[in-house]
Amino acid sequence: AQSVSQHNHHVILSEAASLELGCNYSYGGTVNLFWYVQYPGQHLQLLLKYFSGDPLVKGIKGFEAEFIKSKFSFNLRKPSVQWSDTAEYFCAVPTDSWGKLQFGAGTQVVVTP
Amino acid sequence: DTEVTQTPKHLVMGMTNKKSLKCEQHMGHRAMYWYKQKAKKPPELMFVYSYEKLSINESVPSRFSPECPNSSLLNLHLHALQPEDSALYLCASSQLGDRVISEAFFGQGTRLTVV
Repeated sequence: AQSVSQHNHHVILSEAASLELGCNYSYGGTVNLFWYVQYPGQHLQLLLKYFSGDPLVKGIKGFEAEFIKSKFSFNLRKPSVQWSDTAEYFCAVPTDSWGKLQFGAGTQVVVTP
Repeated sequence: DTEVTQTPKHLVMGMTNKKSLKCEQHMGHRAMYWYKQKAKKPPELMFVYSYEKLSINESVPSRFSPECPNSSLLNLHLHALQPEDSALYLCASSQLGDRVISEAFFGQGTRLTVV
């Protein structure tokens, strides 16, 4: 069965700083990986996804993630964060053919002006 | 704006009440989900419907009763809830394919408080 872990639970950084959030998954077959973001008071939104092909995936709002199979990792990056990136970030992996998502514990990111 | 619509956005109910949460999507997705999210925690799956049939029940107490009237609608009927059931209830939908699991689209959720 697939599982996913996120290393950082709380990150505080200043605007224009670079962001990298770690995500590791356990191997269980075909790997599909997602990063979701939850802004305060808003719904979960998909940032980016990996199904196959180019391991460097670009998403919305300037985010990207790199799938490294040998390390079972799918880390999220953004070169220069903005105050509006303050949110909770979840890595997720489907664990069955019905699309059940297993979420990581989440990382609360706070960007200070 | 999310393409998955949930109503109501907020609900306060007593432990003896019966209420229902509603979810609607018009993306033609054939899988629909109910997740429960407690504060500062990730969402946890409750139920999965695929092609209008219940596919997964994650050992959810019977005081939660899902219903899928058609491919666009998903309900969650609530009865005799406990205060610890207070949480954000999220509906999601996704497309089902042979080999690829597409991403899930989430609604804004219903913030439920049981008093």
